[in-house]
Amino acid sequence: QKEVEQNSGPLSVPEGAIASLNCTYSDRGSQSFFWYRQYSGKSPELIMSIYSNGDKEDGRFTAQLNKASQYVSLLIRDSQPSDSATYLCAVRRGFQKLVFGTGTRLLVSP
Amino acid sequence: DGGITQSPKYLFRKEGQNVTLSCEQNLNHDAMYWYRQDPGQGLRLIYYSQIVNDFQKGDIAEGYSVSREKKESFPLTVTSAQKNPTAFYLCASSISTGGNTIYFGEGSWLTVV
Repeated sequence: QKEVEQNSGPLSVPEGAIASLNCTYSDRGSQSFFWYRQYSGKSPELIMSIYSNGDKEDGRFTAQLNKASQYVSLLIRDSQPSDSATYLCAVRRGFQKLVFGTGTRLLVSP
Repeated sequence: DGGITQSPKYLFRKEGQNVTLSCEQNLNHDAMYWYRQDPGQGLRLIYYSQIVNDFQKGDIAEGYSVSREKKESFPLTVTSAQKNPTAFYLCASSISTGGNTIYFGEGSWLTVV
């Protein structure tokens, strides 16, 4: 079992829809969770970080964390073609290294 | 502007040659990292450094070496012992190696010819 698992996609949504990206992790001791967006050929850029159970909103993005079920999700409201990218989930346990999933490719069609 | 600068952006290497990728940050971050990314795969940690003159192996350190003589700089050498060096290399930094956010440089593409 991988430490951090994501569906590789692609996840296709029409412009204006809500895109829902999911990530599960295996280590119950994980404490910090991050979502990065990576455009093709570019480096990852941080979108959201979340540390506590529940929802965290930032503009069109909402991160959701459920430690009991060991999943973290990212919702993108009013999806735009410019949101088309690969979204990487990353998980850290305390002072341990950050472990990345393989990413979910999102395609937003006009 | 504060940030992480990697160079070169594109590099071609002949088999048997060592190459060094540069990474400089002016964010005053203590921790620095090197990741490797292959197509369709996530990021894998090569080496990380929590403080000057100290560094630790990550998951795939074989065939790589690093140094941390200055806080701002964390160069990565890809040696001839690395069997499959063609990849996208990402340098990153964070305030510390705790729960803090990691920020990435723009990356370096290395191709073995």
